[in-house]
Amino acid sequence: QKEVEQNSGPLSVPEGAIASLNCTYSDRGSQSFFWYRQYSGKSPELIMSIYSNGDKEDGRFTAQLNKASQYVSLLIRDSQPSDSATYLCAVLYSGAGSYQLTFGKGTKLSVIP
Amino acid sequence: GAVVSQHPSWVICKSGTSVKIECRSLDFQATTMFWYRQFPKQSLMLMATSNEGSKATYEQGVEKDKFLINHASLTLSTLTVTSAHPEDSSFYICSASGANYEQYFGPGTRLTVT
Repeated sequence: QKEVEQNSGPLSVPEGAIASLNCTYSDRGSQSFFWYRQYSGKSPELIMSIYSNGDKEDGRFTAQLNKASQYVSLLIRDSQPSDSATYLCAVLYSGAGSYQLTFGKGTKLSVIP
Repeated sequence: GAVVSQHPSWVICKSGTSVKIECRSLDFQATTMFWYRQFPKQSLMLMATSNEGSKATYEQGVEKDKFLINHASLTLSTLTVTSAHPEDSSFYICSASGANYEQYFGPGTRLTVT
């Protein structure tokens, strides 16, 4: 069974701090990983994708991937109250001509002013 | 780029009626679209995968005769909830798949069945 695990939180960080969100996945063959942000009552919004081991930076966001450890993380630098949301880790599982994203249950982040 | 729209954004219907939700990719063609359902404070649940020109693939436990999916073009997929009941009340979200398997979500449709 394809699984994606996240700490549900809530994770509370002070404004300006670094927020670190973690995710582990079960399928060693997975190649594509995504982070989504979901505000309460809204649909998810793609913020990062990562496909290779190492770090990928985009503005205040850095995604980190370690395929050997089956671990992907998201760092948010200089956290702002507007970053308060639920962050969903998603892993692409493919096979037999089809593919789908499996989502973790999400980590709720609260940035305290 | 990568904009997905949904219509309607919210709908209230009476028990026993049917409701159609449209999902459109506005600036790209999507051979694959996905339909999700999300109950309050719960995670996304994939209902079905919709491929243009072919029958949808439903997840285990999702009734294909109740949730009719049509993907007639590369930019439009529809979900029809037939004979709706109060337990079908939920937040329905579609997504369209981009070039690198990224999924872009529509804004969602909040369905309330009375």
